[in-house]
Amino acid sequence: DVKVTQSSRYLVKRTGEKVFLECVQDMDHENMFWYRQDPGLGLRLIYFSYDVKMKEKGDIPEGYSVSREKKERFSLILESASTNQTSMYLCASSLYGTGYGHEQYFGPGTRLTVT
Amino acid sequence: DQQVKQNSPSLSVQEGRISILNCDYTNSMFDYFLWYKKYPAEGPTFLISISSIKDKNEDGRFTVFLNKSAKHLSLHIVPSQPGDSAVYFCAASPLIQGAQKLVFGQGTRLTINP
Repeated sequence: DVKVTQSSRYLVKRTGEKVFLECVQDMDHENMFWYRQDPGLGLRLIYFSYDVKMKEKGDIPEGYSVSREKKERFSLILESASTNQTSMYLCASSLYGTGYGHEQYFGPGTRLTVT
Repeated sequence: DQQVKQNSPSLSVQEGRISILNCDYTNSMFDYFLWYKKYPAEGPTFLISISSIKDKNEDGRFTVFLNKSAKHLSLHIVPSQPGDSAVYFCAASPLIQGAQKLVFGQGTRLTINP
């Protein structure tokens, strides 16, 4: 079974702090993704990576950056946290591309609150 | 601009009856569609998918129907069980190798009443 783990389930940070969210997958997947989930908006893609050290912006990258130094690990960085970044953050991985057999597998999520 | 829309935020169904969740999309380049199920405090889990070369895909109690001309898909759950109570997301992507992104709908909260 694919396992995607996220470093924290719950996190409380102050406005202006630098925040690191870590994600690790154990199935040698090529692709990794960061989403945020907000009520009424579904899942929105922040950034994704299709290879080590490669990254692509998603639909809402502003205020975020990412790092992928190793294949199994994908980090989301909030350079200066703001209250509008309070959200559920979900990491996902997939074998390669999208299509049959290449579904995205999600971690349990990190509920981030910025005060 | 919401390319994938789930217009019903919530749905309540009696146990044993059929649950029908709907999803509409606007991008004609979408060729592959998925349904995910999400329980509170857990990540979404993949449920079932369909590509545009099919109009129906079945897996046990779950069936997904695709009407490409109407840009509409639906998920049928028969019979509905209390454990099916969750938020359901539909997602869409172009079926191209190397295409990376899924576009998700807003989600529908399904409640199965005993």
